Amino acid sequence: GQQLNQSPQSMFIQEGEDVSMNCTSSSIFNTWLWYKQDPGEGPVLLIALYKAGELTSNGRLTAQFGITRKDSFLNISASIPSDVGIYFCAGPPSGTYKYIFGTGTRLKVLA
Amino acid sequence: NAGVTQTPKFQVLKTGQSMTLQCAQDMNHNSMYWYRQDPGMGLRLIYYSASEGTTDKGEVPNGYNVSRLNKREFSLRLESAAPSQTSVYFCASSANRGADTQYFGPGTRLTVL
Repeated sequence: GQQLNQSPQSMFIQEGEDVSMNCTSSSIFNTWLWYKQDPGEGPVLLIALYKAGELTSNGRLTAQFGITRKDSFLNISASIPSDVGIYFCAGPPSGTYKYIFGTGTRLKVLA
Repeated sequence: NAGVTQTPKFQVLKTGQSMTLQCAQDMNHNSMYWYRQDPGMGLRLIYYSASEGTTDKGEVPNGYNVSRLNKREFSLRLESAAPSQTSVYFCASSANRGADTQYFGPGTRLTVL
């Protein structure tokens, strides 16, 4: 089946540092979504992107819809301990309406 | 407004036993979904219901059945549990199918011995 590849798989960072992660696909997407999953919880939507080239912010989080429509990026500025969790990209590939999820980026913040 | 609720939170089964996972949403959403999440992997779609009265297979439907009981409730049944079905199961709902935001429940952690 189709896959979304996320990079990096995991990262340790110091509190206050900026974080970047990305998601790539072999298929074109019309929508990109970024979710965060805290331990023992279900994923929660952070940002939704609907247009190629779109740049959208939610507090310290900024996400971009790649112009090729095959990738997306998420940046977290000035990380804090509560940013710990797993970040997933997701969306329905163009022509379908079923979500596929990336494999996730596990973030650990060192105080 | 509870959003998406799931029961039970934890369950241990023996191989061959059956059980039903329950999911309900109070957001008047049309579409509902069941996913499984295995360690180190993203979520994979098992079944979904685009609207009341309809269900369709997702990526990994084998060994599962679903029932869209009404607009609020969508259950997942394991008829004869296998160790390969040990996983965390998430239910989600969205206003409509497609690119609408999906809202997730807290999950059911299932272990099959």
